[in-house]
Amino acid sequence: GAVVSQHPSWVICKSGTSVKIECRSLDFQATTMFWYRQFPKQSLMLMATSNEGSKATYEQGVEKDKFLINHASLTLSTLTVTSAHPEDSSFYICSARDIDDRGPELRGGYTFGSGTRLTVV
Amino acid sequence: DAKTTQPTSMDCAEGRAANLPCNHSTISGNEYVYWYRQIHSQGPQYIIHGLKNNETNEMASLIITEDRKSSTLILPHATLRDTAVYYCIVRSRGTYKYIFGTGTRLKVLA
Repeated sequence: GAVVSQHPSWVICKSGTSVKIECRSLDFQATTMFWYRQFPKQSLMLMATSNEGSKATYEQGVEKDKFLINHASLTLSTLTVTSAHPEDSSFYICSARDIDDRGPELRGGYTFGSGTRLTVV
Repeated sequence: DAKTTQPTSMDCAEGRAANLPCNHSTISGNEYVYWYRQIHSQGPQYIIHGLKNNETNEMASLIITEDRKSSTLILPHATLRDTAVYYCIVRSRGTYKYIFGTGTRLKVLA
């Protein structure tokens, strides 16, 4: 089945530094990738939609200059948390939409990565 | 975007069927219903999806009401490994986004 690899699975960084998270589709091409964050005991909150070759679309309230998204190829999207602070500590998850998804009918839905736990100290 | 409403939590005895309801009364004509589950500290896992007909796969069954305003996910023989948060999602038309609701925390009891 479709696999999305997310790296790193966990990271600890100092306040003020930047952290990059990678999301790769391993056996399919992803025209669109989505980035979510999740706080403990809460649901996933969509941060942004990343389209290959174009600028990401951010959800309301998400700072685009703080959460930089790059989707340079059909198999890779990156999320960079810039000048991280303790309140940015969270579980970040990506998902990918197969390029062959041509309408409402999906072959198995979107595939999610295993998540990255970011702790800012 | 169509919103979904699910009970916050449910318990189920091991070996019994787990029936997880979802209300999606604002769903539009060609929007699909998707079910995912998330086991602690992992990414969501796809379970099943459907439009209007009932669906079954190796993991679960999906029953959708005739008016499509609600659905039920059925795990026929729940095991301890089915303990997870289950999300019912209606995909946004046009944008293809998944908007997650609060989900149902299912606890399978031995």
